[in-house]
Amino acid sequence: QVTLRESGPALVRPTQTLRLTCTFSGFSLSISGMCVSWIRQPPGKALEWLARIDWDDDVYYKTSLRRRISISKDTAKNQVVLTMTNMDPADTATYYCARTWLISAGGSGAFDIWGQGAKVTVSS
Amino acid sequence: SYELTQTPSVSVSPGQTARITCSGGALATQSASWYQQKPGQAPVVVIYKDNERPSGIPERFSGSISGTTVTLTISGVQAEDEADYYCHSGDSTGSSVTFGGGTKLTV
Repeated sequence: QVTLRESGPALVRPTQTLRLTCTFSGFSLSISGMCVSWIRQPPGKALEWLARIDWDDDVYYKTSLRRRISISKDTAKNQVVLTMTNMDPADTATYYCARTWLISAGGSGAFDIWGQGAKVTVSS
Repeated sequence: SYELTQTPSVSVSPGQTARITCSGGALATQSASWYQQKPGQAPVVVIYKDNERPSGIPERFSGSISGTTVTLTISGVQAEDEADYYCHSGDSTGSSVTFGGGTKLTV
């Protein structure tokens, strides 16, 4: 069974750095075609893709956030970490990690398994 | 960057057919997928690669594409289908990943 679970602080002060961890099971990020993305959703608003890391260490970022976010993986621990600097109240959202397996998705990049999300509030 | 445009809301009666559209230039070169999100829950993929249905998703969900517009069709809508639906465009690279603004389906 494939599962992902996000963890991290529920409250962050403005200007601080957010560090979220996605711990997954049921697959390995060393397998060809495996990818993990971070996606967020502000309250009452749409989904917004943030970043992706692939089995071969390729990384991709939302262009407008490139200077603030970083994604990394620890294959041995089955974890993917998102770091976002200079947090602002506008970054208040539920943050999801989600898996893509390019082989099963026919190369479409679709997200087949999602975590339950981590709610992050940015407030002083 | 590309944008995907969805109609904000669609309302249908049980048993009718619901059609939710998503338009954008990215769809000319990238595949679309659709996600269902119920209140307080994580999204679930219902269609990927334009018209493929994952295992476990009811057959009443189908996808189609015409030019740069993709359509999610739900035939014989049931009350449990009431949710927000998001389209997404992407490909094997992560160089251009976009979500639509979402469509609220009311049954």
